[in-house]
Amino acid sequence: ILNVEQSPQSLHVQEGDSTNFTCSFPSSNFYALHWYRWETAKSPEALFVMTLNGDEKKKGRISATLNTKEGYSYLYIKGSQPEDSATYLCAHRGNTGKLIFGQGTTLQVKP
Amino acid sequence: GAGVSQSPSNKVTEKGKDVELRCDPISGHTALYWYRQRLGQGLEFLIYFQGNSAPDKSGLPSDRFSAERTGESVSTLTIQRTQQEDSAVYLCASSLDSTGLDGYTFGSGTRLTVV
Repeated sequence: ILNVEQSPQSLHVQEGDSTNFTCSFPSSNFYALHWYRWETAKSPEALFVMTLNGDEKKKGRISATLNTKEGYSYLYIKGSQPEDSATYLCAHRGNTGKLIFGQGTTLQVKP
Repeated sequence: GAGVSQSPSNKVTEKGKDVELRCDPISGHTALYWYRQRLGQGLEFLIYFQGNSAPDKSGLPSDRFSAERTGESVSTLTIQRTQQEDSAVYLCASSLDSTGLDGYTFGSGTRLTVV
């Protein structure tokens, strides 16, 4: 994998459903993996920065895992709420210093 | 400042004119990054600064684009002879240092429309 790829591109779930998204990134030249939430009309907001293989991070109902050997990360949202509706971006940082973003997964949570 | 500040928030310009976009990072943040998002596309890296030097300017689309930063403070992104394909939201972000391990803090962006 040469680029950062996210799937699915979009997702519609009912309030209360749990969901997860995937981010794939180059497994070589790895330094860090970032997750951001980008709500409409706002700025992207950092959720997690992960560096270690096997790392798991949690913030409230949102958690993320990291596998640097195979080049993927999962973001999980437990019990989705309408306020979770946003675009979720992952980004890969290699040794060059720049952060390369995926296209994002847009989540819509219906009440 | 409390957050990353960008100005103007909106800019409409005629094709062929020059524009200057400004970014004020969080005080104490040594690293500063410029990205853009064209309609229907993802965030595209343009350039990043560590202090006032730019270790990576590989994302600048053409020589019409340039950026500078004064010390560890304000940065300006200049687009000369604007073209319609330059229309995009230009986002600036800053982090404590170039590791970015504290996460990036983004500004609200400048929406540039070239008519």
